Amino acid sequence: EEKLVQSGVQVKKSGESLKISCKGSEYSFSKYWIAWVRQMPGKGLEWMGVIFPLDSDIRYGPSSQGQVTISADMSTSTAYLQWNGLEASDTAMYYCARSTGAGWYDALKIWGQGTMVTVSS
Amino acid sequence: SYALNQPPSVSVSPGQTASITCFGDRLGGMYASWYQQKPGQSPVLVMYQNDERPSGIPERFSGSNSGNTATLTISGAQAMDEADYYCQAWDSATVVFGGGTKVTVL
Repeated sequence: EEKLVQSGVQVKKSGESLKISCKGSEYSFSKYWIAWVRQMPGKGLEWMGVIFPLDSDIRYGPSSQGQVTISADMSTSTAYLQWNGLEASDTAMYYCARSTGAGWYDALKIWGQGTMVTVSS
Repeated sequence: SYALNQPPSVSVSPGQTASITCFGDRLGGMYASWYQQKPGQSPVLVMYQNDERPSGIPERFSGSNSGNTATLTISGAQAMDEADYYCQAWDSATVVFGGGTKVTVL
């Protein structure tokens, strides 16, 4: 079964750094885009950006550019989302999701279970 | 920036048809996708490329996209279809989600 498994719950303080992960299995990790999607408490889905692990081609959403860093490690089939200075407004559930096809804009077929990040001020 | 607009809520009686709309400028010229999200769960892709159903999605789900409006239709709605539904498309350099529609089956 194709799967994405994300790292666990995080509780941090404002200003701290954080890197969360998303490990793919049972499919060719290098052939599909991995997107990160934010969902703030009680709110809708927000696309943060996407990476193609084979060549680390990355696209960021307008509100994520300069705020987070997306990366991937093909040797471990893992994608990452990183912050260098968290803010209380970063409190949210973060999902990784795999594209259906080869386009960075393709629909997202496989979703991770989500990582809840709570930032206290 | 590009925006997709959905009605906040839709109600449907069991066995009846629910239509969820998604409005965006020139949306009919793009591919639209739809996701279902139940409380406490990750989103699930229920429609892609306007009218393609992923494997495992019931036939009662169908999609269309024309003009400025994409539509997800649930024919013969069941209690298990009660969820939030999000449309998604893309424009130039970003992917956009609609604000979501809460579907209530009662």
